Amino acid sequence: SAVISQKPSRDICQRGTSLTIQCQVDSQVTMMFWYRQQPGQSLTLIATANQGSEATYESGFVIDKFPISRPNLTFSTLTVSNMSPEDSSIYLCSVAPGLAFNNEQFFGPGTRLTVL
Amino acid sequence: GQNIDQPTEMTATEGAIVQINCTYQTSGFNGLFWYQQHAGEAPTFLSYNVLDGLEEKGRFSSFLSRSKGYSYLLLKELQMKDSASYLCAVFYNTDKLIFGTGTRLQVFP
Repeated sequence: SAVISQKPSRDICQRGTSLTIQCQVDSQVTMMFWYRQQPGQSLTLIATANQGSEATYESGFVIDKFPISRPNLTFSTLTVSNMSPEDSSIYLCSVAPGLAFNNEQFFGPGTRLTVL
Repeated sequence: GQNIDQPTEMTATEGAIVQINCTYQTSGFNGLFWYQQHAGEAPTFLSYNVLDGLEEKGRFSSFLSRSKGYSYLLLKELQMKDSASYLCAVFYNTDKLIFGTGTRLQVFP
């Protein structure tokens, strides 16, 4: 399996500021994903982080609000910009090592963000 | 977009059997996953179906009908620790895993 760590595990931020969340994987993976899980809700895909190219964003999510970096095959960052209380959520990094793992996706522990 | 529907909440008693249904749009389908998520934790993998039929893994089984866009997760011999959210997720041809609304299961003694 893939072991994923995220930093920070939680944060409380002020409205209008930005937070960068880091995701580190213990092996090289082609595909990394960022999800958001709002309180009591299921997971919503924000974007697919591609190594060497721009991230691919889902409907309703834009690069200016959620810039993503993917400098190599084991690391990615998601920035939540100009935060508002509506951005309070858990942000999860996920990887898909591929067919060898039955296409299973593994999830990081999540970053719990509270915006005041 | 792709709609993936599940019941919002279910309850059951310890030792019983419960079936959690999931319906999805079939266009671009590439496989279906079930994940378990306890409160405050990341989702963990339960099962993966890509062909029609039943996949059994211990107390948990998952069924898929691709033509009907339908799956279910069957939990047998329920235990208190099975109280969690169960997430149906579909792998579409763009290689993205899209999650359903999730079913919160509460097991009572």
